[in-house]
Amino acid sequence: GDSVTQMEGPVTLSEEAFLTINCTYTATGYPSLFWYVQYPGEGLQLLLKATKADDKGSNKGFEATYRKETTSFHLEKGSVQVSDSAVYFCALSPSANSGNTPLVFGKGTRLSVIA
Amino acid sequence: DVKVTQSSRYLVKRTGEKVFLECVQDMDHENMFWYRQDPGLGLRLIYFSYDVKMKEKGDIPEGYSVSREKKERFSLILESASTNQTSMYLCASSLLAGGFSGGSTDTQYFGPGTRLTVL
Repeated sequence: GDSVTQMEGPVTLSEEAFLTINCTYTATGYPSLFWYVQYPGEGLQLLLKATKADDKGSNKGFEATYRKETTSFHLEKGSVQVSDSAVYFCALSPSANSGNTPLVFGKGTRLSVIA
Repeated sequence: DVKVTQSSRYLVKRTGEKVFLECVQDMDHENMFWYRQDPGLGLRLIYFSYDVKMKEKGDIPEGYSVSREKKERFSLILESASTNQTSMYLCASSLLAGGFSGGSTDTQYFGPGTRLTVL
């Protein structure tokens, strides 16, 4: 079945460092891809998404590009802030031919940014 | 903005009690979901529902049941709570649960979560 694999955390960075969180997926057809973020004590919220190959999703300085050739959707940010400390989840939505199936989530990567 | 609310942020129950977790969304979404979140395991889908009175089992339905009598409300029921059900429970809603054309789908909107402790 469809699956998402993301790098294990925790990831600890200094403020203004460059961030990459790797995400790869296994899916049939053409899934949509998402990054969700969960700040401490809150539910998940959508950070960005991409619906087809070579699309780039971006929001709040974060970016991720849908790479079909490498089945990847890595999350990047050029300069992290303390306020970016959170858990980040990569997810996919199966393609049209996979039936009415909910999102498939990775296990999450905890990011801690220190001043 | 879509709003998904959950009845409690924190809940403490005793083993064997019947527990109700309520979730309400205000955007007329057809689809609603219940997940549990545990360290190292990420999010695991318990049940979901595509319409009123309809339900589908997720990956870990054992020990849980659900009820959807109205479109906006989706309840998770623990018939007899056990200590291994201590967890964070997250509710979500969306317009479309999966892609129907070109791989597109709608975003899932999450509530703030209920942290349940079973003693």
